[in-house]
Amino acid sequence: DGGITQSPKYLFRKEGQNVTLSCEQNLNHDAMYWYRQDPGQGLRLIYYSQIVNDFQKGDIAEGYSVSREKKESFPLTVTSAQKNPTAFYLCATRDRGGEKLFFGSGTQLSVL
Amino acid sequence: SQQGEEDPQALSIQEGENATMNCSYKTSINNLQWYRQNSGRGLVHLILIRSNEREKHSGRLRVTLDTSKKSSSLLITASRAADTASYFCATRRSNQAGTALIFGKGTTLSVSS
Repeated sequence: DGGITQSPKYLFRKEGQNVTLSCEQNLNHDAMYWYRQDPGQGLRLIYYSQIVNDFQKGDIAEGYSVSREKKESFPLTVTSAQKNPTAFYLCATRDRGGEKLFFGSGTQLSVL
Repeated sequence: SQQGEEDPQALSIQEGENATMNCSYKTSINNLQWYRQNSGRGLVHLILIRSNEREKHSGRLRVTLDTSKKSSSLLITASRAADTASYFCATRRSNQAGTALIFGKGTTLSVSS
């Protein structure tokens, strides 16, 4: 998990509320990713960014938004449009030319 | 969409035994990776095998790849209680928008002492 900080570790969302999950990295990696993991399930890709000021939708982008204003930061906002947000959210990075992903320790989001 | 599917979903063994888990995928690949996840934590990269390789070793890990069958297997030899975790295979999907890793649903391994 070193080099990638996700915060908070636990987050609670009220109905109709937007919440933002933070992902910060000091690995100087170009690419950053957000995945969602439901219990007993694999990871599903939400959004990813190859470079600053650019990002692409993954397989389950509806109800989520991201920004990539700085190389080090890739925050994920879970909007009120996401009707089933309870899940474990994982941020990952990849170095340019590299193949493997480096993961943060995750944020568990629950609905109150 | 999930490119890889691991089998079995869950595996329980005793310490010292070998653990084998399998991954099947759908489209052609450049490489296939295996990751490990301890409960409530992020994933950690274990090993990468390229499409022109048939077998690769790393410590107690042995990975095989059969591109004709679109399948891979991960063997953990002489398992330890500390190997208890979920294991995922991942393949790369590339398109005009960029490159992302697509993961399977994972195999949950439980090693009892």
